Amino acid sequence: NAGVTQTPKFQVLKTGQSMTLQCAQDMNHEYMSWYRQDPGMGLRLIHYSVGAGITDQGEVPNGYNVSRSTTEDFPLRLLSAAPSQTSVYFCASSYKRTGNTEAFFGQGTRLTVV
Amino acid sequence: GESVGLHLPTLSVQEGDNSIINCAYSNSASDYFIWYKQESGKGPQFIIDIRSNMDKRQGQRVTVLLNKTVKHLSLQIAATQPGDSAVYFCAERNGSGYSTLTFGKGTMLLVSP
Repeated sequence: NAGVTQTPKFQVLKTGQSMTLQCAQDMNHEYMSWYRQDPGMGLRLIHYSVGAGITDQGEVPNGYNVSRSTTEDFPLRLLSAAPSQTSVYFCASSYKRTGNTEAFFGQGTRLTVV
Repeated sequence: GESVGLHLPTLSVQEGDNSIINCAYSNSASDYFIWYKQESGKGPQFIIDIRSNMDKRQGQRVTVLLNKTVKHLSLQIAATQPGDSAVYFCAERNGSGYSTLTFGKGTMLLVSP
C-alpha cells in the first residue's frame, strides 16, 4: 500500500496563479483533511471531509477550495495564490471508527508563492 | 527552505537518557490527547494517544501522562535514541461530531550520540 500520496512535492507559484494540490489514499479511509504548517507553528486545519461528497471548513479555509468526489481523492485548490499561502501542506486520512485518533499523513507539498 | 523547526522550544539530550516533552492544552472538552512525531522532511506520524478519563498510558518506550487539573500533557521517552530526534506535537481531539485535531506548536528533540 502506498498510504497517502501528495503531488507535487514542491511548487513555486506567482501571485494570482491558481493550482491544485493532489492527495490520494489507498486505505479506504472515510476521513480526509488538509493542513498547513508554517515555521514555528503546529498544523492548522484548512478543510476536511468525512466521506465522498461531504466537505467542511477548518480553522483557516479562506483562499482554498476542496471537493471529494471519490473516497480516494481529496484535492486542494488555491484560487488565487498569495504570498501568505507560502507553506508546507499536508494531507491526512483516517478511519471512521470510535476512539480512533490515528491520522496518516502524506509527505507534504512545499509551496512558495512569489 | 525555512525549516518548520525554527522558533520551536528545543530539548537536547544524550543518547540513553530519558526525555520528557511537555504540552499545555486549552480545551477541557477534548476527549483524546495525542502525540505525533515529525521527522525532517516527512509528515507527522502517530505515536500514542490517551483518553481524557485516563491519567497514564504506556507504549513501547513511551509513556503519556495527563493532568486534567492543570491541563497538562507529557510524553516520556525511555532510553532516547538518535532516531528519536524529531519535532513532537501534542494534539487534542474536540470530541464533537467528526472530531478534528488541534495541534500544538511542537517541541524539537535533539539526541546526541
